[in-house]
Order: sequence, then C-alpha cells, then structure tokens
Amino acid sequence: DVKVTQSSRYLVKRTGEKVFLECVQDMDHENMFWYRQDPGLGLRLIYFSYDVKMKEKGDIPEGYSVSREKKERFSLILESASTNQTSMYLCASSLGVGGNEKLFFGSGTQLSVL
Amino acid sequence: DQQVKQNSPSLSVQEGRISILNCDYTNSMFDYFLWYKKYPAEGPTFLISISSIKDKNEDGRFTVFLNKSAKHLSLHIVPSQPGDSAVYFCAASAWNTGNQFYFGTGTSLTVIP
Repeated sequence: DVKVTQSSRYLVKRTGEKVFLECVQDMDHENMFWYRQDPGLGLRLIYFSYDVKMKEKGDIPEGYSVSREKKERFSLILESASTNQTSMYLCASSLGVGGNEKLFFGSGTQLSVL
Repeated sequence: DQQVKQNSPSLSVQEGRISILNCDYTNSMFDYFLWYKKYPAEGPTFLISISSIKDKNEDGRFTVFLNKSAKHLSLHIVPSQPGDSAVYFCAASAWNTGNQFYFGTGTSLTVIP
C-alpha cells in the first residue's frame, strides 16, 4: 500500500513565524500535492509538483511556497504565518499524469496560527 | 468560484437503506470524476471513479451515475452500513488542466444502526 506520511498531526504556531510542513511518500510517485481543507470550502489546491525541483501553483498559492529537493519529499512553507492560514493541510501523491490518476493522501496536519 | 458543488452538507440514512450523495459541476471540460471518503483524523481515500464516456460505474455496494447534460453525478450506496459513516468528497478533472483536481465541499453521511 502507498504510504504518505505527514510529519505532524497537530501544530500550533504564532503569527509571523515561518512554518514548515513535511510530507514523504514511499511509492516512487511522480506527482505530489498540497491541499488545505476548510469547512464549507472543501479541498483547495495550494501547490503541486510533477518532478523534482518542479512546482506549479494551484488555486490558492498566496502566502505559501514549496520545495521538492527529492522525489519522495514535498515541503510546504508558510513564510510568515497568519491567522487565516489556520486550517487542515493535506498532502497527496499520484503515480502519473492524467485525470484518472488516484490521489493518495496523508492523514493531514491541523495547523493553528495564534 | 466553486466549480464542483455538493449542496448537501449532511445526510442521515438508516442502516440497510440506500444513500444517495449528489454532486454538481459547472465546467463542461471535466472528463473524469472521482469520489473520496474521509474518516475523522484520516486523509481522504479513493472510493470510485467514472470517465465522461460512461454514465454508470459500479463497484460492489457503490455505484456512481453521471448525467453530462445536467452536469450532475451521484453516488449510490446500497445497502448502507454504519461503517459508511464518513465525509464524501466528489472531485473532477479536465484533460487540459493536467494534474489539477477540483473538489466539492463534502457531504457528511451518517448511517444509523
């Protein structure tokens, strides 16, 4: 089974802090994604990456950056955390390109910014 | 603007009866649709999918129906079981958006024993 591991289940940070969310997948998947889940808004794509050192903006990239130095690891960075970034963050991976590719999700990181 | 909508935030069904979860979309370019299931404190997991060239796909107790003219899809669960209680998300993608999936807001299903 594909395993997507997010480094923290819960995280509490202060406004203005730099925050790193880490994600590792163990199935040699090409594509990795970062979503945030908010009540009433569903899952919204922040960034995705289809190869090492490659990244593409999703629907809501503002305030975030990403890093993919190794194929198995995809990091989400909040340069200066703000209270409106309090959310559930979900990392996902998929094997190939195309709409019929299933996403495999991690368990999520609940981030609270105070 | 939400391209994929699930207008029912919650649904309660008796065990053994049918659960019907609905999803509407606005982008006529969407050509692949997926349903994911999410338990509390877990990430979503893939449940079932359908291509736009089909109007029905079945997998055990789960069937997805697609009505392209109405831009509507539905997930039927028969018979419903207490273990089906979860949040269900529909998602859609278009051939020209590469890896981008658009998710609905989710429907929380409760199956009452």
